[in-house]
Parts: sequence; C-alpha cells; structure tokens
Amino acid sequence: DTGVSQDPRHKITKRGQNVTFRCDPISEHNRLYWYRQTLGQGPEFLTYFQNEAQLEKSRLLSDRFSAERPKGSFSTLEIQRTEQGDSAMYLCASSHGTGGRNEQYFGPGTRLTVT
Amino acid sequence: SQQGEEDPQALSIQEGENATMNCSYKTSINNLQWYRQNSGRGLVHLILIRSNEREKHSGRLRVTLDTSKKSSSLLITASRAADTASYFCSTGGGNKLTFGTGTQLKVEL
Repeated sequence: DTGVSQDPRHKITKRGQNVTFRCDPISEHNRLYWYRQTLGQGPEFLTYFQNEAQLEKSRLLSDRFSAERPKGSFSTLEIQRTEQGDSAMYLCASSHGTGGRNEQYFGPGTRLTVT
Repeated sequence: SQQGEEDPQALSIQEGENATMNCSYKTSINNLQWYRQNSGRGLVHLILIRSNEREKHSGRLRVTLDTSKKSSSLLITASRAADTASYFCSTGGGNKLTFGTGTQLKVEL
C-alpha cells in the first residue's frame, strides 16, 4: 500500500486555461474525497464519491469544476476556464467508508497557481 | 460534518516541552479526529476518538474528549523539531470533513 497519490504535484497555468488533476486512492478504499485549501486556512470539502457514484458536491464546486471516478478507482478533477481565485492546494483523500473505518487518508496535494 | 475550531492559533515551544492544543465544536458528534499538516503538504491522520471514549493514547500523543463541553485536546509530549506543523481537528468523518484554521505549532531547538 503506497498511500494516496496525486498528479501533478504542481501546476502553473494561465487564466482561462483548463486543468485536470488525478488522484489514485488507497486500493481497497471505496470512498474518495476532494478538498481545496488556500493559504492559512484549513481544507474545504468539494465533493466525494462512493465507488463511482458522486454522492455530494459542495456549493464551492462551481459549474467550472467537474469530478469523475469512472471505474470506482482513480478520480480526476477538472477546472475549466481557470481564474486567479482557483489558485490553491487541491487535496484528495480516501477512506474505507464501511465497517466504521471512516478515517480519511490524504494525498500530498496538487498546488495550482493561476497567473 | 460539524466544524472544529482549534485554539491557540499559534504555539511556539522548546524541544522537549509538551504542547497542548484545544478543539471546540458545536453539535453532537460520533467521533473526532486530529490531523497534522507539514508546511505545504497533505494531511496526516493522527488519531480518532469516538464519542464514548474520554481519552486515547498513541505514542507521544494523548487526546481527550469532553462531550459535555464539546471540546477535545491534543497533547504532544516531549516535543521534537519534527513536530513543527499545523494541527487540525475535525468531527464526523463518514462523509466530508470540516476543518478550522488549525493550530500552528513551532518547536524550536
């Protein structure tokens, strides 16, 4: 078990461009979560999946954001027409989601800078 | 999930000293979790305490929970420079986690 991995670790993009991030959860985990964290703040929940189903989305997740988990394994988070306010660390986490094992394990994050 | 708020916002101690940080929350919980985040990196799960537990230990960490006061504390004993990080508490955990702004701990040599 290598933990949750995210790719890329850093992304610099110009305003208006689209970006896509990938998250690979711990293999036996059913649930996958996306969070966003800005400087000096704690992470904010964006969305989560139970297997391939997206069960909840935050109001923070505007129409420019879309997340998928097509086969219930890895997930992608796409931001269209990026804005400077999208600059943040995007964190992915996973958990068993069953049997009371709800601890979430986080990846190292993708730091997005929009210029 | 219900938001946890950490206190103090910042804490600076000498290596070898103990560090205590507190968390308050507003509504009833099933469990409370503490996480650590080193500068600019992902969060590491430290410990989970269930609502029917009052104290839990893990290595140099000791967590207490007082559901009547809706508060929890995290004690790090014999601190090390490597403990320098931000510490967050969060309640819930079945679905989304909600975090406060954290306690920034600095352990100086």
